[in-house]
Amino acid sequence: SQQGEEDPQALSIQEGENATMNCSYKTSINNLQWYRQNSGRGLVHLILIRSNEREKHSGRLRVTLDTSKKSSSLLITASRAADTASYFCATATQGGSEKLVFGKGMKLTVNP
Amino acid sequence: GAVVSQHPSWVICKSGTSVKIECRSLDFQATTMFWYRQFPKQSLMLMATSNEGSKATYEQGVEKDKFLINHASLTLSTLTVTSAHPEDSSFYICSARLLRVRLAGVAQETQYFGPGTRLLVL
Repeated sequence: SQQGEEDPQALSIQEGENATMNCSYKTSINNLQWYRQNSGRGLVHLILIRSNEREKHSGRLRVTLDTSKKSSSLLITASRAADTASYFCATATQGGSEKLVFGKGMKLTVNP
Repeated sequence: GAVVSQHPSWVICKSGTSVKIECRSLDFQATTMFWYRQFPKQSLMLMATSNEGSKATYEQGVEKDKFLINHASLTLSTLTVTSAHPEDSSFYICSARLLRVRLAGVAQETQYFGPGTRLLVL
């Protein structure tokens, strides 16, 4: 199956609530990245976490990485309607590969 | 900084014609660019890695003769869909790799994505 699978596939919440998205992967990685995509648009890089890091923060974003479980989570706190988008995790594998393997993506809808 | 553009943003063409999509890094040089394809409500699938001054590396299952890639300069890569058919209709996204060398020589690689090109083949 495809590496980097987000869970759940769609999430609908109210403005102000927190949103958590999970991602699992299968192979050893160099880093894991989260991207955001508004409908029909390109991707925006949100945050990168290296394999030797366990947690990282950026504004309202919090990313965790558990390499033993091969999983990561993205937490968006105090969500806003403008956070409505699709979110993808992508893994860069070890061994110097530059390629990113994207997960299936998760559609987040934040209702005002 | 680190802006990547694509042109055109969308194109409609007749079956059998060829379509060229440009990917440009506007404020940095990129020796490596990537081309992805995204079908509706699906994830991005890497098609090929474009290297400046050398041949592109295609992913398994991607026809190199159908999807011609030319990385003519450090800021431009083009993808030409030759003899396009309706099944080639998709959202094509490029990315450009920016390599930063941090303190103590630690290198950080980030891909910056273009806004995408929507192709519709009739």
